[in-house]
Amino acid sequence: AQSVTQLDSQVPVFEEAPVELRCNYSSSVSVYLFWYVQYPNQGLQLLLKYLSGSTLVKGINGFEAEFNKSQTSFHLRKPSVHISDTAEYFCAVSDLGDYKLSFGAGTTVTVRA
Amino acid sequence: KAGVTQTPRYLIKTRGQQVTLSCSPISGHRSVSWYQQTPGQGLQFLFEYFSETQRNKGNFPGRFSGRQFSNSRSEMNVSTLELGDSALYLCASSLFGQNYGYTFGSGTRLTVV
Repeated sequence: AQSVTQLDSQVPVFEEAPVELRCNYSSSVSVYLFWYVQYPNQGLQLLLKYLSGSTLVKGINGFEAEFNKSQTSFHLRKPSVHISDTAEYFCAVSDLGDYKLSFGAGTTVTVRA
Repeated sequence: KAGVTQTPRYLIKTRGQQVTLSCSPISGHRSVSWYQQTPGQGLQFLFEYFSETQRNKGNFPGRFSGRQFSNSRSEMNVSTLELGDSALYLCASSLFGQNYGYTFGSGTRLTVV
């Protein structure tokens, strides 16, 4: 079974500063990788996904992530954050043909002015 | 287009009762998944349905069951409720499965007293 580790539970950051959220997963077989964001009292919204091809994936709201197969990592980055980026971010992994997502514990990002 | 609709949004039940939660996916989406979200365990996969067939099931007791109808709408049922079943239950839909990216509903907040 997949195991997903988000290395930081909380990340405080100043507005317009860059942010990186780290994610490692356990399996070395072919996987699909995702980042989701959850705003208070809402469901999850897909930021970006990696299925195959280029290891640098661009998503919505200026986010991007890089897939590193040798390090089994899928770190999320944004070069300049806004107050509205304050939310909880979840990394998720799925094995091919598994039809389920395994989520990390989440990283709470708090953007301060 | 309309998003994923979950009803009801909030529910309070007594231990031992049963509950049915409903999910209407985005029109045209045939895959529906359910997740339980709690502060202690995070996001955990319950089950996934595609064209009325369950393709995968998570590690939950048999008290948790689900089904999908021919119009792709889905329900999940929890019988003999326990205090530990208190959680946010999230439904997500996708065209064919997780690799297309899930759209999540806002969830049903179940409180068992």
